[in-house]
Amino acid sequence: QQQVKQSPQSLIVQKGGISIINCAYENTAFDYFPWYQQFPGKGPALLIAIRPDVSEKKEGRFTISFNKSAKQFSLHIMDSQPGDSATYFCAASMRVTNAGKSTFGDGTTLTVKP
Amino acid sequence: DTAVSQTPKYLVTQMGNDKSIKCEQNLGHDTMYWYKQDSKKFLKIMFSYNNKELIINETVPNRFSPKSPDKAHLNLHINSLELGDSAVYFCASKGQGDNQPQHFGDGTRLSIL
Repeated sequence: QQQVKQSPQSLIVQKGGISIINCAYENTAFDYFPWYQQFPGKGPALLIAIRPDVSEKKEGRFTISFNKSAKQFSLHIMDSQPGDSATYFCAASMRVTNAGKSTFGDGTTLTVKP
Repeated sequence: DTAVSQTPKYLVTQMGNDKSIKCEQNLGHDTMYWYKQDSKKFLKIMFSYNNKELIINETVPNRFSPKSPDKAHLNLHINSLELGDSAVYFCASKGQGDNQPQHFGDGTRLSIL
């Protein structure tokens, strides 16, 4: 129940294309869904996050789509750029009763070809 | 300037040795974490401290012992290092309140010879 399943494991997209990464969860107590971006040699950094009371959140070229009934959420990167090449992690957490523990997906390595 | 800083960045040592990794955050956060990232880039939580108190202890061998001298610091001591301990270890912190993201350091790459 604590798992977050992320797919695909790796993704290759041409410059200008749309990158889509999907995550699914089981525990309906999760109420915060961040996406993290990790470049080689660096730690993960928050990219964008959503709460389950909205179905979509957009920040620049990055959009999270959230489907509460299906217990799925996805990251869309529009007009993908070579600089977006990184590993992306979805995560899910619940309120402070769980000490803010985040459950991470297994990561998606995105390569954007010029 | 750096929000979450870890030292050292690289650690190469022999099997059986004892080593420590230090972490400091200047964000004023109450909660700090240690994660292990393996060669497949899977991120696994190891420990979490809230205001110097241990609150999460995943199934980690007791050779790993975290210590939090104050809420801005969380160190990780590893005894009797094994080949399987080779990984990148990340420290992270989180502010109080619901729905706060975690802030990660840049990791310590531990290589066991």
